[in-house]
Amino acid sequence: NAGVTQTPKFQVLKTGQSMTLQCAQDMNHEYMSWYRQDPGMGLRLIHYSVGAGITDQGEVPNGYNVSRSTTEDFPLRLLSAAPSQTSVYFCASSSQALGEKLFFGSGTQLSVL
Amino acid sequence: KQEVTQIPAALSVPEGENLVLNCSFTDSAIYNLQWFRQDPGKGLTSLLLIQSSQREQTSGRLNASLDKSSGRSTLYIAASQPGDSATYLCAVPYSGGGADGLTFGKGTHLIIQP
Repeated sequence: NAGVTQTPKFQVLKTGQSMTLQCAQDMNHEYMSWYRQDPGMGLRLIHYSVGAGITDQGEVPNGYNVSRSTTEDFPLRLLSAAPSQTSVYFCASSSQALGEKLFFGSGTQLSVL
Repeated sequence: KQEVTQIPAALSVPEGENLVLNCSFTDSAIYNLQWFRQDPGKGLTSLLLIQSSQREQTSGRLNASLDKSSGRSTLYIAASQPGDSATYLCAVPYSGGGADGLTFGKGTHLIIQP
């Protein structure tokens, strides 16, 4: 039972570098989302998708890009990393948008120097 | 804007005690509420989801209640065990026109002393 799989688990970037955080789910969930978790700020929504080909912005989308070409995959791209993007990133999915339980991946800890 | 508050921020109790974690939200127009558990360095696990038409949900030693009119939910843990030590978060959906996401509280850090 893989559930939601995120890679990598840890990443260190230099300011200005770009990278992609991978997220895949094997539960055939239509809804997928990305959150960042920061001390004192809690979890905040970055982007979400309600199905293949459909994405939308969340609360803190600036500096991030997403696409959803398949039901299974929802990668998050950092276009030009900044120290303010140092955080723990979580991918989550659900079978019915926000009407059912949300399943989370194990997270990616990102440091931007 | 929906705001979710959890009290207390931290709690330490001896093993075997029953305990209650509190969650409040400012906008009562929610259609469900979820309680999550997060272990250090791990992702979140959904424990219970209460639909707006329900008053409570139970899973094993966990019982969650929901009072929409007062904007409150509680998570009751019976006969606590050291393995219950974790951070517990509550969350409600918010929508800016689409499905959007969940608004989370900052969590209650729970320690169960053996």
